Amino acid sequence: DARVTQTPRDKVTEMGQEVTMRCQPILGHNTVFWYRQTMMQGLELLAYFRNRAPLDDSGMPKDRFSAEMPDATLATLKIQPSEPRDSAVYFCASGLVYGGLNTGELFFGEGSRLTVL
Amino acid sequence: AQSVTQLDSHVSVSEGTPVLLRCNYSSSYSPSLFWYVQHPNKGLQLLLKYTSAATLVKGINGFEAEFKKSETSFHLTKPSAHMSDAAEYFCVVSEGGTSGTYKYIFGTGTRLKVLA
Repeated sequence: DARVTQTPRDKVTEMGQEVTMRCQPILGHNTVFWYRQTMMQGLELLAYFRNRAPLDDSGMPKDRFSAEMPDATLATLKIQPSEPRDSAVYFCASGLVYGGLNTGELFFGEGSRLTVL
Repeated sequence: AQSVTQLDSHVSVSEGTPVLLRCNYSSSYSPSLFWYVQHPNKGLQLLLKYTSAATLVKGINGFEAEFKKSETSFHLTKPSAHMSDAAEYFCVVSEGGTSGTYKYIFGTGTRLKVLA
């Protein structure tokens, strides 16, 4: 059963510490999205990759956040230094776009719940 | 520019009665439209999608939605609510951009409560 895998599921850290969240997209998918979910803001798009290249990271605070895809099986989202306002659930999703066609469905991981004290 | 408006932040229904979750969208091109469900402490799961085929779309767990271009709506319905339907529901619009890029715009969500 193919699924998107995210680690860690829960992370509690102190302000100023570095946090790295990892995502393993579904094998064969060529798009990866990072979303942040909070009660106040709902779901916000942070970054979007296609074929490992970043296409849109306009929703991501550039001074402390960075997103990469070292290879096709791993996407990372790093926060350095972390702040209490970064507390949220971070979701990774993967999908497939080919030949200019979007197959439509995004598959979501179960999320990484981050608490910054 | 594309956008999604979910007209109700909370909906309560009694078990066995119909469910209606409303969604209006704005899109410059022919959009793809989706409904996702999120149960507590879980990721989002696709319920159904519209991608310019039949305007009445059937999804999982008895849900369906009708694409109405004239009304720019994509409301989600179910004839009879079950306790397990209690969750948050997201309406999503996607359209292609330049260079084959696609963005998914999420609505703010509707929390469905099912009363016994």
